[in-house]
Amino acid sequence: DAGVIQSPRHEVTEMGQEVTLRCKPISGHNSLFWYRQTMMRGLELLIYFNNNVPIDDSGMPEDRFSAKMPNASFSTLKIQPSEPRDSAVYFCASSMGTTVAADTQYFGPGTRLTVL
Amino acid sequence: KNQVEQSPQSLIILEGKNCTLQCNYTVSPFSNLRWYKQDTGRGPVSLTIMTFSENTKSNGRYTATLDADTKQSSLHITASQLSDSASYICVVSARMRFGAGTRLTVKP
Repeated sequence: DAGVIQSPRHEVTEMGQEVTLRCKPISGHNSLFWYRQTMMRGLELLIYFNNNVPIDDSGMPEDRFSAKMPNASFSTLKIQPSEPRDSAVYFCASSMGTTVAADTQYFGPGTRLTVL
Repeated sequence: KNQVEQSPQSLIILEGKNCTLQCNYTVSPFSNLRWYKQDTGRGPVSLTIMTFSENTKSNGRYTATLDADTKQSSLHITASQLSDSASYICVVSARMRFGAGTRLTVKP
């Protein structure tokens, strides 16, 4: 298995532009997670899906952030409009079960976002 | 105040030596505690997961302990290797709360 696939690996954009990050979870996994990691705040859970349904989006920082999972093999995280403080590494992870607390999560390589 | 505190913030050891990383938490309710290893420029990789009833779990040279009464966990690395150089992150659930991590450097 190729593992969790994220694209792009690096994104540089200007303030105000829309940014879309993409994730393909491991085939057969039923839960998908989006995280953000910065030096100042460490790893933060933004949102997670069970069976394509958003379960907890309380970590999404504000309305500029949105996430979708139209099917079991694809998810997007969109930032519109982007701001310099959104610069971070964004990770996608997936796990097999729907018991979030108990299942091992497998992380993708991350997307490094820089907003100028 | 962060609900998951890790110490030390960074640590340098010589190859072949043992070390212990600490994680103290105040998260409630508690369902499990995970340790992740994150190499520079890569995503975290799960090392161990422990539930309330487990107090020790090993994964090769990594041994995690959990004291649910005192809300403390440790990760012990035996006979360190250069490849152990990474950040180690403690995560406490049910509501996933992340520690800031310990940056370990193993020198030859």
